[in-house]
Amino acid sequence: QKEVEQDPGPLSVPEGAIVSLNCTYSNSAFQYFMWYRQYSRKGPELLMYTYSSGNKEDGRFTAQVDKSSKYISLFIRDSQPSDSATYLCAMNPQGGSEKLVFGKGMKLTVNP
Amino acid sequence: DAGVIQSPRHEVTEMGQEVTLRCKPISGHNSLFWYRQTMMRGLELLIYFNNNVPIDDSGMPEDRFSAKMPNASFSTLKIQPSEPRDSAVYFCASSSSGGVGELFFGEGSRLTVL
Repeated sequence: QKEVEQDPGPLSVPEGAIVSLNCTYSNSAFQYFMWYRQYSRKGPELLMYTYSSGNKEDGRFTAQVDKSSKYISLFIRDSQPSDSATYLCAMNPQGGSEKLVFGKGMKLTVNP
Repeated sequence: DAGVIQSPRHEVTEMGQEVTLRCKPISGHNSLFWYRQTMMRGLELLIYFNNNVPIDDSGMPEDRFSAKMPNASFSTLKIQPSEPRDSAVYFCASSSSGGVGELFFGEGSRLTVL
């Protein structure tokens, strides 16, 4: 079993839809959970991060962590065509970037 | 501010040729990472440096791959000899100490080995 599992999709939704992206993980030591967004032919960029369990909201984006289930989610409300990108979850057991483990990424297309 | 700068953006070469990818990290960042991204395997860490010193190269596929960081503002990833299975997008990323682990990625070098 891989440390981080993410359905690669692709996922196609109409503009305005609520999008749910998910990852599961096996390492209970993971404490920091991140979502990176990667536009076509660009490098990934950090979108949001959370520490331990709970929710974090930033505009139309909500990151959710359920450590008991080893499951994290990213919700996008009122999705826009500009949200079309690949979303990668990432996590590590401590702060810093040295032991960051990435999911394979889910390609999202929001159709106008 | 300039981000992470990678060159070349695209490289097409023939099997057996040497390939050198270059990276200039963000000034002031003390950690540098080389990743490889493919559809099948996603984003894989090849090697990372801290203060110009290689810390973990366990992700380097085999002896055909080597990486150097001669100073804080430059790193290279070399593949010699290249093989078709090396075709991928290679990303360089940098980060500063501490924090939550935000990586700043370059735009990648797309390598095609024929």
